[in-house]
Parts: sequence; C-alpha cells; structure tokens
Amino acid sequence: AQKVTQAQTEISVVEKEDVTLDCVYETRDTTYYLFWYKQPPSGELVFLIRRNSFDEQNEISGRYSWNFQKSTSSFNFTITASQVVDSAVYFCALRQGGSEKLVFGKGTKLTVNP
Amino acid sequence: DGGITQSPKYLFRKEGQNVTLSCEQNLNHDAMYWYRQDPGQGLRLIYYSQIVNDFQKGDIAEGYSVSREKKESFPLTVTSAQKNPTAFYLCASLALGGGYGYTFGSGTRLTVV
Repeated sequence: AQKVTQAQTEISVVEKEDVTLDCVYETRDTTYYLFWYKQPPSGELVFLIRRNSFDEQNEISGRYSWNFQKSTSSFNFTITASQVVDSAVYFCALRQGGSEKLVFGKGTKLTVNP
Repeated sequence: DGGITQSPKYLFRKEGQNVTLSCEQNLNHDAMYWYRQDPGQGLRLIYYSQIVNDFQKGDIAEGYSVSREKKESFPLTVTSAQKNPTAFYLCASLALGGGYGYTFGSGTRLTVV
C-alpha cells in the first residue's frame, strides 16, 4: 500500500521567514514518483515539482527547494524568504511506478502574514 | 491554450437528485481522473480512465458514475446514492508514460441544499 503523510496541518509565518513543509511517504515499490502541488484560494492545483525515486539530488528553483531523502522516506519542501503570495495549501503526492494513480497527503495550509 | 475545463464552477443540488459535472481537456492526454476534496482530507480518487470506453473505480467510487465516450471528455455523475456529496471536485489528466505532473482543472464546488 502507498501512503503520504503531511503531519503539519497548518503553519503560520511572518513574511520573509523561511518555512519547511514536511512530507513522509510509504511505498513498497522501488520505482515511484513524488510530487508537490500548490492550491491557492482559487482552488486549482498548480504543479511545482516531480522527483523520481532514482534521483535523490536536491533541487532549487528560485525561493523553493526540495530535499529528497530515501533513507527517511521524506520529500520536504522549503520556501525561503516567504511572501504573502505563498499562502496556499500545499500537497505532497506519490505515484508508484506502473500505476497511473496519484495518492495525496492531506495537505498543509500555509499562511504568510505581512 | 491547452488545459482542462471544468463546469460549472458552483453547483447546487437538491437531495435525491443526480447531477453531472463536466470535465473537458484539449491536451490530448490519455488518462483522466476525478478527485474529491473535503476540508482536512486531502484529495481522494473517485474514478479514473486510461483509454476511451474504459474506466476503473478509485478509492471512493460508491455513489458516483462516469463515462468516457471521447478522449477529451470525462463527465462525473453524482447520484442520489452518494450520501454526502457536498465537496470540491477536481478533474485531472495525464499523458500516459510521461510520469510528469498531472494537469488539474479549476474544480467544481457541489453543495447539497
């Protein structure tokens, strides 16, 4: 069975603070894909990143960075110097290799206050 | 521009009625999905389809039905058998074999009145 756990239900920070969103996953497959999505108040899910199980390199995209560690089954997401526009619900998701089903965590609601 | 269109954005249903949510994509994606989102519950898979005229149940299919007569379209019917239909419904698509991010529509918020 596959499962994604986002233990942080809500996080509130002040603008310019750094914030890390945690994601822990479970899967028995050796091939799998991990995703992060952002859901702003409008409701649409915005794709942020995909990482496959064979690529443990961390990635940085502007103020966003992702730390993938297979040893701890974690795929954490850090926003540096947060901004009010980062306020949203963020979802971590997992897809097992050979499956077209995407399993989501319950999401973390991030509020960035001015 | 390519994308997924969901309609309507808001939908109100009386108890005992069936309603159909529309999902259309012009991305030429093979697979399409319906998810339900409840507060604090994340997204749960209702149905998905990988090819025309074929679809599979997801984790919470009871009370829902779908069809896939065209590659571009994957409507979801919420039947009267669905006991708690008030939720936010998201449609998504994926090019099979791509492994890339799914594309999501903007959602339909269904409320039972």
